[in-house]
Amino acid sequence: GEDVEQSLFLSVREGDSSVINCTYTDSSSTYLYWYKQEPGAGLQLLTYIFSNMDMKQDQRLTVLLNKKDKHLSLRIADTQTGDSAIYFCAESTGDNNNDMRFGAGTRLTVKP
Amino acid sequence: DTEVTQTPKHLVMGMTNKKSLKCEQHMGHRAMYWYKQKAKKPPELMFVYSYEKLSINESVPSRFSPECPNSSLLNLHLHALQPEDSALYLCASSVYLDNEQFFGPGTRLTVL
Repeated sequence: GEDVEQSLFLSVREGDSSVINCTYTDSSSTYLYWYKQEPGAGLQLLTYIFSNMDMKQDQRLTVLLNKKDKHLSLRIADTQTGDSAIYFCAESTGDNNNDMRFGAGTRLTVKP
Repeated sequence: DTEVTQTPKHLVMGMTNKKSLKCEQHMGHRAMYWYKQKAKKPPELMFVYSYEKLSINESVPSRFSPECPNSSLLNLHLHALQPEDSALYLCASSVYLDNEQFFGPGTRLTVL
């Protein structure tokens, strides 16, 4: 099947920038998402990008998409301890099935 | 009301019990989803409803039985579950099938 891959762990110091990377294989992906999951909680939609965009910025979050390389990244500026969570990359083709495929998640640890 | 709610938060059941999980949204979304998430794994899609009709069943065992009695409510009826069914069960909704999904906080299910 089609895969979405992420590195499993990332550790940064408070105040630094975090960059979480994701690669996907489905060239027909239309929408790409970043979700945040805190311990014991559900998934919070952080941001999403259409495949015809290459960048989207929302406050401290910047999403970069390289469609040719099928590479998606999430940059968190001025990372805070409250940003510690698991970040899931997901993609869908946006067709009537909306079968969303998730990566395994990147556990971000922010050290004071 | 701009959120997806799920009840109960936690559920412990025996293998012979019958229980139900409930998901509710009042955002006017016409698509609703059930996901299963095991520890340290990404969510896996189970069922998709669109306009109260079952759109996708991802080969889920019949001991899980979804029901969508109206556009705001999605149930998951559980019967004769196995210990390996213990997981976080997440509900999500979207405006239509091809829109971004918003997740509830999940029900943590333990099957003894």
